Amino acid sequence: QKEVEQNSGPLSVPEGAIASLNCTYSDRGSQSFFWYRQYSGKSPELIMSIYSNGDKEDGRFTAQLNKASQYVSLLIRDSQPSDSATYLCAVKGSWGKLQFGAGTQVVVTP
Amino acid sequence: EADIYQTPRYLVIGTGKKITLECSQTMGHDKMYWYQQDPGMELHLIHYSYGVNSTEKGDLSSESTVSRIRTEHFPLTLESARPSHTSQYLCASSELGDKTGNTIYFGEGSWLTVV
Repeated sequence: QKEVEQNSGPLSVPEGAIASLNCTYSDRGSQSFFWYRQYSGKSPELIMSIYSNGDKEDGRFTAQLNKASQYVSLLIRDSQPSDSATYLCAVKGSWGKLQFGAGTQVVVTP
Repeated sequence: EADIYQTPRYLVIGTGKKITLECSQTMGHDKMYWYQQDPGMELHLIHYSYGVNSTEKGDLSSESTVSRIRTEHFPLTLESARPSHTSQYLCASSELGDKTGNTIYFGEGSWLTVV
């Protein structure tokens, strides 16, 4: 079992709709959670970080964390073609080591 | 915006050549990393450093070596490049310590092609 699991996709989302991305992790002691966006051929860039249970909103992005279920998600509202990218979930485990998921590819269709 | 720079951005080199990928950051971060990523595939940590004179191997075995003589500089060297080394190499950095805000910031990457 991988330490951080994501559906690889592609997740096809109509323009203007909500994209919902999921991530589960195995280390129950994890405290820090990050979502990165990576365009094809580019390096990952940080979108959101979340540390406490609940929702955290930043513009069109909302991160949701449920430590009891070991689950973190990212919602993208009003999806735009520019949101088409691979989204990487990263989890900092109890040993302080950051683990990346394999990423979910999102394709926003006009 | 992160201030972490990688050179060269793109390199095509022949088999057997020695190459060094440069990485510098101006944020004063103690911790630095090298990741390897093939197109469409996941990130693999190959080296990291906690600070000057500290280097550690990552999760993925790599024939490359690294050095950390200065805080801001973390070069990666391949003594004899092979086609199997063709990949994107991403340098990153973060603050040291176990604070929850220790975000990793990435450079723009170095694309290496060995022919």
